[in-house]
Amino acid sequence: AAGVIQSPRHLIKEKRETATLKCYPIPRHDTVYWYQQGPGQDPQFLISFYEKMQSDKGSIPDRFSAQQFSDYHSELNMSSLELGDSALYFCASSSQGLGHADTQYFGPGTRLTVL
Amino acid sequence: DAKTTQPNSMESNEEEPVHLPCNHSTISGTDYIHWYRQLPSQGPEYVIHGLTSNVNNRMASLAIAEDRKSSTLILHRATLRDAAVYYCILRAGNQFYFGTGTSLTVIP
Repeated sequence: AAGVIQSPRHLIKEKRETATLKCYPIPRHDTVYWYQQGPGQDPQFLISFYEKMQSDKGSIPDRFSAQQFSDYHSELNMSSLELGDSALYFCASSSQGLGHADTQYFGPGTRLTVL
Repeated sequence: DAKTTQPNSMESNEEEPVHLPCNHSTISGTDYIHWYRQLPSQGPEYVIHGLTSNVNNRMASLAIAEDRKSSTLILHRATLRDAAVYYCILRAGNQFYFGTGTSLTVIP
């Protein structure tokens, strides 16, 4: 079965640079979620989109922005990168049609390293 | 924010049942309880979820206390492949609130 695809899988950037992470949800899933997991930390919810509109906002820094496109893929844009942004970034997708208790399916993550 | 509390780590012998506890005393009436597990450098994997009643699936069982302030994930026969960090998560609306997770070690 198709899973959530994230690209790139690994990314190395310098401080103050920008980065763009991409997420391709499972086909027919209409909701995308972004999470950040720092070293030894639990995943923290950043932001989510339903039908291309932002639906929930968590602890996303102002330097970050995200959007969901007409084909339902999503991009997380990160500017003025800081050392503390080094983390695993997970994307998850779900289908809202199943109700609010539906399952989130996580991608393999993008490991961002800021030097 | 909805919060969960789990033991940092647990050990189990292979082929033995494992009971992973979770406290969520601040749960609200509409929060679903989800369990996910995560292997190193991989995305979390769905295990099971429930609202009020106990739930069973091919991977595990979920026992939810009557007052819903705690729950227990039950792996009926632990295998080496079950070694992972298990997260007890409250779903409030569209947001997942991860706890710190329990690192399960399975001893051969």
